[in-house]
Formats: sequence, structure tokens, C-alpha cells
Amino acid sequence: DAGVTQSPTHLIKTRGQQVTLRCSPKSGHDTVSWYQQALGQGPQFIFQYYEEEERQRGNFPDRFSGHQFPNYSSELNVNALLLGDSALYLCASSFGRGPNTEAFFGQGTRLTVV
Amino acid sequence: AQSVAQPEDQVNVAEGNPLTVKCTYSVSGNPYLFWYVQYPNRGLQFLLKYITGDNLVKGSYGFEAEFNKSQTSFHLKKPSALVSDSALYFCAVSPRSGNTGKLIFGQGTTLQVKP
Repeated sequence: DAGVTQSPTHLIKTRGQQVTLRCSPKSGHDTVSWYQQALGQGPQFIFQYYEEEERQRGNFPDRFSGHQFPNYSSELNVNALLLGDSALYLCASSFGRGPNTEAFFGQGTRLTVV
Repeated sequence: AQSVAQPEDQVNVAEGNPLTVKCTYSVSGNPYLFWYVQYPNRGLQFLLKYITGDNLVKGSYGFEAEFNKSQTSFHLKKPSALVSDSALYFCAVSPRSGNTGKLIFGQGTTLQVKP
């Protein structure tokens, strides 16, 4: 059983460009959340998708957007990249939603903005 | 503001000795509490969580955590450390009210276990 898979593993982009990161949840999971982990920091919640809709959002600007597909996979899009967007982006999946739900994390996508 | 504090950037212990990784939180309303571990080039792995009941929670790989409501703490413990326990540990809280699964993480504590 594959766990949470993310692609690509590494990415280098230029300031002002746009990027799309992809996530396939663990088999049987229907909820996907995205986190940003800056170097030396803990992950910060970006947003959560369930039933193809954004259900909860953290304190991130509108440049960060997402999508969930009928097969529960998800994309994270970041427009107008800034140097400060350089980070490890983690996808987490769970079965259902709720504050006590155990989340399973992928290995992450390392984004470098130059 | 809701926050989680891990006061130690790094904890060093000798193999076979007990270990403690500290976590305190400032989140109202009796949140759920979690510990995750991150190995190099790998995602976060769930260790344990506190929902309700017994203040001592047992989790994976021999880890346990002690919840203290009055001190708003949730310290991670292990009676006998292994070199393979060396990793980055994150405490996280999940508010009960109006939350569908958002986790608020601390900054992480690097655990170094020496032979």
C-alpha cells in the first residue's frame, strides 16, 4: 500500500514564476492538507481540501491556491513566487476530517526560488 | 494567538538513558495533542496522540507522552533511548472548536542519541 506520494521531490523556480505541486493521498483517504515548512521551522498549515472544496485555510495569501480531484489527489499552486516561498511543502492525507484525525505525511517537495 | 513551544532546539542523551522532549502550548479549549517524528529526507511520521482520559499516552517505538492540563504541557518520553531514535521531533496541537484537522506545530527539537 503506497503512502502519501508527492511530486516532484525537488524544484527550482525563478521569482515571479508560478509552480504546481502534486499529491496523491494514501489509499482510502479522502482529505488532503498542505503545509509549508521553512528551514528550521515547524510546518505551517496552508489549507485543507475535502470533497473537492477548500474547507479550512491558514494564514497564507491568495497567491496560494489548490485543487482536489475526484480521485482525491490534490495540487498546490503558488503564483508570483517570492524568495520567501522557498521551503519544503508537505502534503498530508487522512480519512475524513476532524481535529483528532491522524494525518499521514508525504516526503515533501523542496521548492527553491532564486 | 494559538502557539506551541518546544523550548529546546536540541536534546542530547546517551544510549540507554531516559529521554524527555518538552512541549507546552497556548491553545484554548482542551485541544488534541500530537507528536510526530521527522527523519532526514522523509515526511513526518505519527508517534502518538492525546484525546482524553489517562494522562500518560503510549505510542509507537516505545515512546510515551505525559499530558499535564494545569501546565498545558505534553512532554514526550522514552525510558531507554536508542541511537536510531535520533531525529527531529515535532509537537502539534489541534484545536477542538471550529477545526476540521488543522495542526499547529512547534518549531521542532532535534534529538541526538550517542552510543
